[in-house]
Amino acid sequence: EDQVTQSPEALRLQEGESSSLNCSYTVSGLRGLFWYRQDPGKGPEFLFTLYSAGEEKEKERLKATLTKKESFLHITAPKPEDSATYLCAVWGALQGAQKLVFGQGTRLTINP
Amino acid sequence: DADVTQTPRNRITKTGKRIMLECSQTKGHDRMYWYRQDPGLGLRLIYYSFDVKDINKGEISDGYSVSRQAQAKFSLSLESAIPNQTALYFCATSGGTRMTHEQFFGPGTRLTVL
Repeated sequence: EDQVTQSPEALRLQEGESSSLNCSYTVSGLRGLFWYRQDPGKGPEFLFTLYSAGEEKEKERLKATLTKKESFLHITAPKPEDSATYLCAVWGALQGAQKLVFGQGTRLTINP
Repeated sequence: DADVTQTPRNRITKTGKRIMLECSQTKGHDRMYWYRQDPGLGLRLIYYSFDVKDINKGEISDGYSVSRQAQAKFSLSLESAIPNQTALYFCATSGGTRMTHEQFFGPGTRLTVL
C-alpha cells in the first residue's frame, strides 16, 4: 500500500528564516510526486510535479527536490504570505491512472 | 473565472436528508475526482471518473454516489446524510498531455450534517 508521511505537522518560522518540509513516501513504482499549497478554507493549489530522483523544481522562494525515498520543499527567506498548509501526494504504479495518495500536510506559519 | 467551480460552497443539512454537490470545469479535462478532507486525515478519494461512461469507486465510497452528466460536470450525492459525513468536499480535474499529471482542485464545499 502506498503511503505518504509529512513532517513536521506544524512549523513556525520568523520572516526570512529558511527551512525545509519533508515528505517521506513508500510506493510501488513512483510515477510522480506532487506538492500543493492549501490556504484555510480553500482548495489545494498545485505547485510542482517531480518524476524522478535527482529532479528539482523552483518557484519564487520554493524549491522542491526528490530522492528515492523522500522529497523536500525548501523555503528560502519566507514571507508571511507563504503561510499555508503544504501537501505532498504520490502517484504510484499500483494506483492506476492518476489516483493520488496524499500526506496529511505541514502547516507552515511565518511570523513578521 | 475559476476553472473548477463547486456549488454550493456551504451547506448545513439534517441527518437523513439527500444532498447533491455539483462540480463544473472549463479546463477541458477528461478526468474528474471527488475527495473529502477531514482534520488529521488528509484528502481521501471518494469517486473518480475518466470519461462520461467511466465511474470508479475510491477508498471511501460507502454512503456516496456520483453522476457524470457531461465531460464538464460531475456530481456527488449523499443519499441519506449522516453526521460523520460532515467534512470539506473537493472536486478535482486532470488531463492534458502525457507529461503533466497534476490535479486541479475546486474551492470546496463545506458540508455540515446535524
